[in-house]
Amino acid sequence: DSGVTQTPKHLITATGQRVTLRCSPRSGDLSVYWYQQSLDQGLQFLIQYYNGEERAKGNILERFSAQQFPDLHSELNLSSLELGDSALYFCASSVGGLAYGYTFGSGTRLTVV
Amino acid sequence: AQTVTQSQPEMSVQEAETVTLSCTYDTSESDYYLFWYKQPPSRQMILVIRQEAYKQQNATENRFSVNFQKAAKSFSLKISDSQLGDAAMYFCAYRANAGGTSYGKLTFGQGTILTVHP
Repeated sequence: DSGVTQTPKHLITATGQRVTLRCSPRSGDLSVYWYQQSLDQGLQFLIQYYNGEERAKGNILERFSAQQFPDLHSELNLSSLELGDSALYFCASSVGGLAYGYTFGSGTRLTVV
Repeated sequence: AQTVTQSQPEMSVQEAETVTLSCTYDTSESDYYLFWYKQPPSRQMILVIRQEAYKQQNATENRFSVNFQKAAKSFSLKISDSQLGDAAMYFCAYRANAGGTSYGKLTFGQGTILTVHP
């Protein structure tokens, strides 16, 4: 157990729907990162939050949004889902913003049908 | 923009032997970190080893070591005495040690699948 908890582990939903992925960082970690892993795009950085504030943004679609709550857990919201959004979504956490390595969760496997 | 390239989609090694995975990167930064992550079939991303660009000495963690060539922008991973449990996808990753819009972002290579034969 890495200490980073992601729920759910698996999610199957239909096109056009909206889903929320949840991440609880390791105790004491202030930064949360979201990554998407797909066969064609590899591992892509989506977004980073540090202590509740957005700190960096990557290739995140406008249909996707995220937030970090006061208790430091984070949620990634994916809306108007398309078949191409099927992927493994990872959350990672670190103590600081410019961390010397992250700790990853075990991921949420999203399948859009 | 920074890019990371792993030119070996697949590699294989016999148990107890040594294998080297290649990684090159492109950046205009002088201060950065490099990482190797392992992703076994469980999907968990596990940090294997990390290297700070300003350190000339190559990092070592037990059977894992790197060959960091800053001028050539090369960062290879050597696995000695390979074990069956080393079978996984290995990712090379880069992170600039600076703020700005990329802040804590890791840029990953495409990955190398390592097979270990008994």
